[in-house]
Amino acid sequence: DGGITQSPKYLFRKEGQNVTLSCEQNLNHDAMYWYRQDPGQGLRLIYYSQIVNDFQKGDIAEGYSVSREKKESFPLTVTSAQKNPTAFYLCASSRDRVNEQYFGPGTRLTVT
Amino acid sequence: KNEVEQSPQNLTAQEGEFITINCSYSVGISALHWLQQHPGGGIVSLFMLSSGKKKHGRLIATINIQEKHSSLHITASHPRDSAVYICAVRSVTSGTYKYIFGTGTRLKVLA
Repeated sequence: DGGITQSPKYLFRKEGQNVTLSCEQNLNHDAMYWYRQDPGQGLRLIYYSQIVNDFQKGDIAEGYSVSREKKESFPLTVTSAQKNPTAFYLCASSRDRVNEQYFGPGTRLTVT
Repeated sequence: KNEVEQSPQNLTAQEGEFITINCSYSVGISALHWLQQHPGGGIVSLFMLSSGKKKHGRLIATINIQEKHSSLHITASHPRDSAVYICAVRSVTSGTYKYIFGTGTRLKVLA
């Protein structure tokens, strides 16, 4: 089965701690994306990567970091610098930057 | 004003009703994507279209590029159609592709 997996589904952290969200795809897609979803707002792009070892900031990158060491993996770290980290985080991938994006099941992060 | 606007924001229908969800956008696009998000949060792709009309089962999506408008229709709606429907456009600016998302239409179909 080809698809995108994100883990864990729910994540709880104390304020001031860094936390890493996992995203893995076995679709052989070059491009991967991280989005944040808040109530009443559309998805907003955090970071994207068009190819291994390369990534670009999206619209709301402050307080986040990523890496793309392998084609299939694009982990997102929510750092303590992110002022309002509680949100639903979605990972997506596409064959390339032009094609349709496919989404993972998401991780709901709660920071208290 | 958002670059992608959806209407209505919330919609409640009786089972069997014909449903229309609208999406208007103000940017130049190369394609428009209709997505479905269930209560668990995962997002499923329904249609990607750049012109005309597409149909899959009870779902129909249309787009009018000149009017910058798309509609998603659900015929013979069913409670399992209850979800948030999201319109996203793929815009191109200076050679960079970017998805811009609407805020979604929350649909509830009552049995």
